[in-house]
Amino acid sequence: GDSVTQMEGPVTLSEEAFLTINCTYTATGYPSLFWYVQYPGEGLQLLLKATKADDKGSNKGFEATYRKETTSFHLEKGSVQVSDSAVYFCAPHSGGSNYKLTFGKGTLLTVNP
Amino acid sequence: DTGVSQDPRHKITKRGQNVTFRCDPISEHNRLYWYRQTLGQGPEFLTYFQNEAQLEKSRLLSDRFSAERPKGSFSTLEIQRTEQGDSAMYLCASSYGTTGELFFGEGSRLTVL
Repeated sequence: GDSVTQMEGPVTLSEEAFLTINCTYTATGYPSLFWYVQYPGEGLQLLLKATKADDKGSNKGFEATYRKETTSFHLEKGSVQVSDSAVYFCAPHSGGSNYKLTFGKGTLLTVNP
Repeated sequence: DTGVSQDPRHKITKRGQNVTFRCDPISEHNRLYWYRQTLGQGPEFLTYFQNEAQLEKSRLLSDRFSAERPKGSFSTLEIQRTEQGDSAMYLCASSYGTTGELFFGEGSRLTVL
């Protein structure tokens, strides 16, 4: 089945710093790749996605590029804000009609002013 | 669109008691998922429904766990004879179409004393 290895947290940055959260995956075929975010006290929500190799997903200043050759989908943001403090989850989906996602352990990001 | 709602948000029970959680998905969504999340971990898949049919169950779902979606709308997750190891956040998500995006509720937190 699908599996994900995410960068261990927690990650603590100062406001306006550059962020990278690494994610590598194991999946059959050509999976779609997702980043979900969980803000304190809220449910998980989709941050961005990419559905084929070399696609770049982007949202709220975050970006991730689907790298099939390295089976990676690293999350980046050029200048983080305090409001980006949250837990970030990488998740591949190998296909099939169930659309089930397999989540990584999550990376806690804390941004200090 | 009122989002996915879960009830109760928090349940405290004594070991050996039965508990039931309810999930109301987004109304037009035909797929519904239950996940479990423990502290510091990502969501782990428990079970999946398409309409009223339960099509997939994880090995994590022991025989003390049962889930239903009787009319293809809301779903219930019952845990019988709770154990301390059942303490976790139980997440419900729903989806439709081919985007692959899951829409999550805020979760039901179970504490077993």
